[in-house]
Amino acid sequence: GAVVSQHPSWVICKSGTSVKIECRSLDFQATTMFWYRQFPKQSLMLMATSNEGSKATYEQGVEKDKFLINHASLTLSTLTVTSAHPEDSSFYICSAREPGQGYYEQYFGPGTRLTVT
Amino acid sequence: EDQVTQSPEALRLQEGESSSLNCSYTVSGLRGLFWYRQDPGKGPEFLFTLYSAGEEKEKERLKATLTKKESFLHITAPKPEDSATYLCAVLDTGRRALTFGSGTRLQVQP
Repeated sequence: GAVVSQHPSWVICKSGTSVKIECRSLDFQATTMFWYRQFPKQSLMLMATSNEGSKATYEQGVEKDKFLINHASLTLSTLTVTSAHPEDSSFYICSAREPGQGYYEQYFGPGTRLTVT
Repeated sequence: EDQVTQSPEALRLQEGESSSLNCSYTVSGLRGLFWYRQDPGKGPEFLFTLYSAGEEKEKERLKATLTKKESFLHITAPKPEDSATYLCAVLDTGRRALTFGSGTRLQVQP
């Protein structure tokens, strides 16, 4: 299967600062990537769909000015949490779909644990 | 609106005790149903995709089946290393992103 990486795997930052998380597709080109957020013992909640070369599509209730998404190349999408607050502490996971005809598997990165103090 | 409901929420099995996990779904049009395994602190690991009712797929001790309303993940003679959260997700024909269920936390005791 396709491989998706994330960096960093964990980060601790102070309230009010910004944090950037990178998501890379290592062995395929992804025109579309997805960003999810997961709270303890809960399922994945889609935050936004990242489109290469165009603006991201955000889910209802997700602040686009707070969670900045950039998909500058076919193998890299970034999520920047701006002016982070303790309530932004969560597990952030990206995924990408390997392009192909007739199948739609999404492969997930290992996740990034964000703690805002 | 797409809905995915998984049951049970948690399941504890003895090693070797076979069981099934359920995933009920409602979509306007099903492009695919996906099963993932997630270990604590890690991203979901892809297991299976099912595309049409009647389809079955197997991988080691796992077997996934699909009907028009639900999917089952059968675990045969589980081992402690099968302990994880199993997530079900659907892809609607009108969407690009998956809709996930809440997952089943499986614990297999030796």
